[in-house]
Amino acid sequence: GNSVTQMEGPVTLSEEAFLTINCTYTATGYPSLFWYVQYPGEGLQLLLKATKADDKGSNKGFEATYRKETTSFHLEKGSVQVSDSAVYFCALSDPGGKLIFGQGTELSVKP
Amino acid sequence: DGGITQSPKYLFRKEGQNVTLSCEQNLNHDAMYWYRQDPGQGLRLIYYSQIVNDFQKGDIAEGYSVSREKKESFPLTVTSAQKNPTAFYLCASSSRTSGSPYEQYFGPGTRLTVT
Repeated sequence: GNSVTQMEGPVTLSEEAFLTINCTYTATGYPSLFWYVQYPGEGLQLLLKATKADDKGSNKGFEATYRKETTSFHLEKGSVQVSDSAVYFCALSDPGGKLIFGQGTELSVKP
Repeated sequence: DGGITQSPKYLFRKEGQNVTLSCEQNLNHDAMYWYRQDPGQGLRLIYYSQIVNDFQKGDIAEGYSVSREKKESFPLTVTSAQKNPTAFYLCASSSRTSGSPYEQYFGPGTRLTVT
């Protein structure tokens, strides 16, 4: 069945460091891929998305490229800020329209 | 402003009581979803509805019930049969006919504590 695997957290970085959060998936067909972010005590917000192979999603300095050959959708940011501290979820759409989420990766950025 | 509202933000109940969580959206979305989130874990799907008066069980429906009498509303009842009801509950919606299908918009969540 469809599934999403994310790197385990927590990830702790210093401000201005480079961020990578790995995400790989297993799916039949051609799902859409998403990154969501959750700040403490809040709901999830869509960060970026990609709907087909080789698409690059980007928002607020974050980027992720849909790599069908490696079934990956890694999240990157060149220079993180303290305000980026949150939990990040990778997700894919199944054929019925539901989202399958990874377990989330907590990011903590220190000043 | 369009969006999803969930109320209340915090809810406390005694064991053995049923409790209903509210979810309302004014995005004109057809589909709505309920998820459960436990500390340090991902989201698990409880129920979803793709159209008014119809809904389907998700991965962990036991001990929960829903209704979808109006497009805007998708309340979730946590019954006394749910063995571990204390959790953070998230409601979401998505459009099936416009914009980016499958992209879900989330409410702020309700934290339920049962003692």
